[in-house]
Amino acid sequence: DGGITQSPKYLFRKEGQNVTLSCEQNLNHDAMYWYRQDPGQGLRLIYYSQIVNDFQKGDIAEGYSVSREKKESFPLTVTSAQKNPTAFYLCASSLETGGKKIAKNIQYFGAGTRLSVL
Amino acid sequence: LAKTTQPISMDSYEGQEVNITCSHNNIATNDYITWYQQFPSQGPRFIIQGYKTKVKNEVASLFIPADRKSSTLSLPRVSLSDTAVYYCLVGDRGDMRFGAGTRLTVKP
Repeated sequence: DGGITQSPKYLFRKEGQNVTLSCEQNLNHDAMYWYRQDPGQGLRLIYYSQIVNDFQKGDIAEGYSVSREKKESFPLTVTSAQKNPTAFYLCASSLETGGKKIAKNIQYFGAGTRLSVL
Repeated sequence: LAKTTQPISMDSYEGQEVNITCSHNNIATNDYITWYQQFPSQGPRFIIQGYKTKVKNEVASLFIPADRKSSTLSLPRVSLSDTAVYYCLVGDRGDMRFGAGTRLTVKP
Protein backbone atom coordinates (compact mmCIF):
# COMPACT_ATOMS: atom_id res chain seq x y z
CA ASP A 1 0.00 0.00 0.00
CA GLY A 2 1.16 3.53 -0.71
CA GLY A 3 1.50 5.86 2.21
CA ILE A 4 3.63 7.52 4.82
CA THR A 5 5.15 5.52 7.64
CA GLN A 6 6.35 7.11 10.85
CA SER A 7 8.27 5.22 13.47
CA PRO A 8 8.34 4.65 16.29
CA LYS A 9 4.78 5.32 17.43
CA TYR A 10 6.02 6.19 20.94
CA LEU A 11 9.46 7.45 21.91
CA PHE A 12 11.05 8.43 25.17
CA ARG A 13 13.99 10.77 25.47
CA LYS A 14 16.41 11.03 28.35
CA GLU A 15 17.92 14.32 29.44
CA GLY A 16 20.68 15.46 27.08
CA GLN A 17 19.91 12.80 24.51
CA ASN A 18 19.35 13.23 20.80
CA VAL A 19 16.58 11.13 19.28
CA THR A 20 15.64 10.57 15.66
CA LEU A 21 12.13 10.15 14.32
CA SER A 22 11.74 8.25 11.07
CA CYS A 23 9.48 9.23 8.18
CA GLU A 24 9.29 7.18 4.97
CA GLN A 25 6.94 7.62 2.02
CA ASN A 26 6.36 5.50 -1.07
CA LEU A 27 4.03 7.95 -2.78
CA ASN A 28 6.80 9.34 -4.99
CA HIS A 29 6.10 12.78 -3.54
CA ASP A 30 8.67 15.52 -3.91
CA ALA A 31 7.95 17.57 -0.80
CA MET A 32 8.04 16.43 2.81
CA TYR A 33 7.22 18.22 6.06
CA TRP A 34 7.62 17.90 9.81
CA TYR A 35 5.09 19.35 12.23
CA ARG A 36 4.85 19.51 15.97
CA GLN A 37 1.50 19.45 17.78
CA ASP A 38 1.07 20.22 21.47
CA PRO A 39 -2.08 19.18 23.34
CA GLY A 40 -5.12 21.14 22.23
CA GLN A 41 -3.10 23.15 19.74
CA GLY A 42 -2.75 23.32 15.98
CA LEU A 43 0.19 22.07 13.95
CA ARG A 44 3.40 24.09 13.83
CA LEU A 45 5.87 23.66 10.98
CA ILE A 46 9.37 22.59 11.99
CA TYR A 47 11.09 21.92 8.64
CA TYR A 48 10.11 21.21 5.08
CA SER A 49 11.91 19.91 2.02
CA GLN A 50 10.83 20.46 -1.56
CA ILE A 51 13.49 18.27 -3.18
CA VAL A 52 16.29 15.89 -2.25
CA ASN A 53 19.30 17.49 -0.55
CA ASP A 54 17.40 20.68 0.16
CA PHE A 55 15.30 21.77 3.13
CA GLN A 56 14.09 24.96 4.77
CA LYS A 57 13.36 25.96 8.34
CA GLY A 58 9.79 26.36 9.37
CA ASP A 59 8.51 28.43 12.26
CA ILE A 60 10.01 26.42 15.15
CA ALA A 61 13.23 24.86 13.79
CA GLU A 62 15.42 25.61 16.83
CA GLY A 63 16.52 22.41 18.58
CA TYR A 64 15.69 20.23 15.57
CA SER A 65 17.63 19.01 12.55
CA VAL A 66 16.69 17.14 9.38
CA SER A 67 18.26 15.52 6.34
CA ARG A 68 16.88 14.64 2.92
CA GLU A 69 19.34 12.26 1.31
CA LYS A 70 16.66 10.20 -0.42
CA LYS A 71 13.33 11.18 -1.91
CA GLU A 72 11.52 8.64 0.24
CA SER A 73 13.01 9.58 3.60
CA PHE A 74 12.97 12.69 5.78
CA PRO A 75 14.20 11.90 9.32
CA LEU A 76 13.87 14.44 12.12
CA THR A 77 16.39 14.63 14.95
CA VAL A 78 15.28 16.20 18.20
CA THR A 79 18.49 17.45 19.76
CA SER A 80 19.34 18.08 23.39
CA ALA A 81 19.00 21.79 22.60
CA GLN A 82 15.23 21.34 22.37
CA LYS A 83 14.32 21.85 26.02
CA ASN A 84 10.64 21.04 25.73
CA PRO A 85 10.38 18.18 23.22
CA THR A 86 7.27 16.49 24.60
CA ALA A 87 4.73 16.63 21.78
CA PHE A 88 3.04 14.75 18.95
CA TYR A 89 5.16 14.85 15.80
CA LEU A 90 3.61 14.52 12.36
CA CYS A 91 5.29 13.98 9.03
CA ALA A 92 3.59 14.78 5.73
CA SER A 93 4.37 14.67 2.03
CA SER A 94 2.92 16.30 -1.05
CA LEU A 95 3.32 16.15 -4.80
CA GLU A 96 5.02 19.14 -6.33
CA THR A 97 4.05 20.36 -9.76
CA GLY A 98 7.58 21.19 -10.78
CA GLY A 99 8.01 24.72 -11.94
CA LYS A 100 4.37 25.71 -12.19
CA LYS A 101 3.24 28.72 -10.17
CA ILE A 102 0.06 27.12 -8.99
CA ALA A 103 0.60 24.00 -6.91
CA LYS A 104 -2.23 22.21 -5.18
CA ASN A 105 0.11 20.80 -2.56
CA ILE A 106 -2.29 18.45 -0.85
CA GLN A 107 -0.46 17.03 2.14
CA TYR A 108 -0.77 13.41 3.22
CA PHE A 109 0.11 12.63 6.81
CA GLY A 110 1.62 9.75 8.71
CA ALA A 111 0.17 8.37 11.95
CA GLY A 112 2.53 10.40 14.10
CA THR A 113 5.14 9.81 16.79
CA ARG A 114 4.44 10.75 20.38
CA LEU A 115 7.63 11.88 22.10
CA SER A 116 7.94 12.12 25.87
CA VAL A 117 10.78 13.03 28.19
CA LEU A 118 11.85 10.61 30.92
CA LEU B 1 2.34 34.16 4.72
CA ALA B 2 -1.39 34.10 4.20
CA LYS B 3 -2.98 34.14 7.66
CA THR B 4 -6.30 32.45 8.30
CA THR B 5 -8.89 33.08 10.99
CA GLN B 6 -11.50 30.51 12.01
CA PRO B 7 -13.89 30.17 14.94
CA ILE B 8 -12.27 28.26 17.78
CA SER B 9 -15.21 25.94 18.30
CA MET B 10 -18.69 25.07 17.07
CA ASP B 11 -21.44 22.80 18.29
CA SER B 12 -24.03 21.05 16.18
CA TYR B 13 -26.52 18.20 16.33
CA GLU B 14 -26.71 15.06 14.28
CA GLY B 15 -28.41 15.52 10.94
CA GLN B 16 -27.80 19.26 10.73
CA GLU B 17 -25.77 21.08 8.11
CA VAL B 18 -22.63 22.73 9.47
CA ASN B 19 -20.91 25.71 7.89
CA ILE B 20 -17.43 26.71 9.03
CA THR B 21 -16.12 30.01 7.70
CA CYS B 22 -12.46 30.89 7.30
CA SER B 23 -11.17 34.41 6.76
CA HIS B 24 -8.02 34.93 4.65
CA ASN B 25 -7.80 38.60 3.75
CA ASN B 26 -4.30 38.54 2.28
CA ILE B 27 -4.68 35.53 0.03
CA ALA B 28 -2.38 35.67 -2.98
CA THR B 29 -3.47 35.28 -6.58
CA ASN B 30 -1.95 31.83 -6.93
CA ASP B 31 -3.09 30.45 -3.57
CA TYR B 32 -5.51 27.59 -3.27
CA ILE B 33 -7.76 27.08 -0.22
CA THR B 34 -7.51 23.68 1.39
CA TRP B 35 -9.45 22.14 4.28
CA TYR B 36 -8.34 19.28 6.49
CA GLN B 37 -10.00 17.22 9.22
CA GLN B 38 -8.15 15.88 12.25
CA PHE B 39 -9.26 13.31 14.81
CA PRO B 40 -7.42 12.99 18.16
CA SER B 41 -3.99 11.34 17.94
CA GLN B 42 -4.14 11.14 14.14
CA GLY B 43 -2.67 13.16 11.32
CA PRO B 44 -4.93 15.60 9.46
CA ARG B 45 -6.81 14.25 6.49
CA PHE B 46 -7.56 16.20 3.30
CA ILE B 47 -11.23 17.08 2.84
CA ILE B 48 -11.55 19.50 -0.05
CA GLN B 49 -9.68 22.16 -2.02
CA GLY B 50 -10.77 25.03 -4.20
CA TYR B 51 -9.64 28.16 -5.95
CA LYS B 52 -12.88 30.06 -6.62
CA THR B 53 -16.68 29.69 -6.69
CA LYS B 54 -17.96 26.33 -5.49
CA VAL B 55 -16.39 22.92 -5.21
CA LYS B 56 -18.21 19.79 -4.10
CA ASN B 57 -17.16 16.24 -3.38
CA GLU B 58 -18.72 13.26 -1.67
CA VAL B 59 -18.16 14.58 1.85
CA ALA B 60 -18.26 18.38 1.71
CA SER B 61 -18.78 21.56 -0.28
CA LEU B 62 -16.55 24.59 -0.39
CA PHE B 63 -17.90 28.04 -1.17
CA ILE B 64 -15.50 30.81 -2.17
CA PRO B 65 -16.77 34.34 -2.96
CA ALA B 66 -15.43 36.35 -5.86
CA ASP B 67 -12.97 38.33 -3.74
CA ARG B 68 -11.58 35.06 -2.25
CA LYS B 69 -11.03 36.73 1.12
CA SER B 70 -13.02 34.05 2.88
CA SER B 71 -14.25 30.53 2.32
CA THR B 72 -16.95 28.35 3.87
CA LEU B 73 -16.73 24.62 4.40
CA SER B 74 -20.17 23.03 4.38
CA LEU B 75 -20.75 19.58 5.90
CA PRO B 76 -24.20 18.21 5.08
CA ARG B 77 -26.12 16.20 7.67
CA VAL B 78 -23.31 15.73 10.19
CA SER B 79 -23.03 12.64 12.37
CA LEU B 80 -21.25 11.98 15.65
CA SER B 81 -18.23 10.76 13.70
CA ASP B 82 -17.75 14.24 12.23
CA THR B 83 -16.64 15.48 15.65
CA ALA B 84 -13.10 16.65 14.90
CA VAL B 85 -10.89 19.69 14.37
CA TYR B 86 -11.15 21.34 10.97
CA TYR B 87 -8.31 23.40 9.52
CA CYS B 88 -8.36 25.95 6.72
CA LEU B 89 -5.09 26.55 4.88
CA VAL B 90 -4.15 28.95 2.12
CA GLY B 91 -0.84 29.30 0.36
CA ASP B 92 1.62 27.28 -1.60
CA ARG B 93 4.14 24.64 -0.48
CA GLY B 94 6.16 25.90 2.46
CA ASP B 95 4.02 29.01 2.81
CA MET B 96 1.02 27.06 4.03
CA ARG B 97 0.33 27.10 7.76
CA PHE B 98 -2.09 25.26 9.99
CA GLY B 99 -3.78 27.57 12.45
CA ALA B 100 -5.56 26.48 15.60
CA GLY B 101 -8.48 25.12 13.60
CA THR B 102 -12.17 24.86 14.51
CA ARG B 103 -13.18 22.21 17.00
CA LEU B 104 -16.56 20.86 15.86
CA THR B 105 -18.59 18.89 18.37
CA VAL B 106 -21.61 17.01 17.07
CA LYS B 107 -24.17 16.08 19.70
CA PRO B 108 -26.85 13.38 19.59
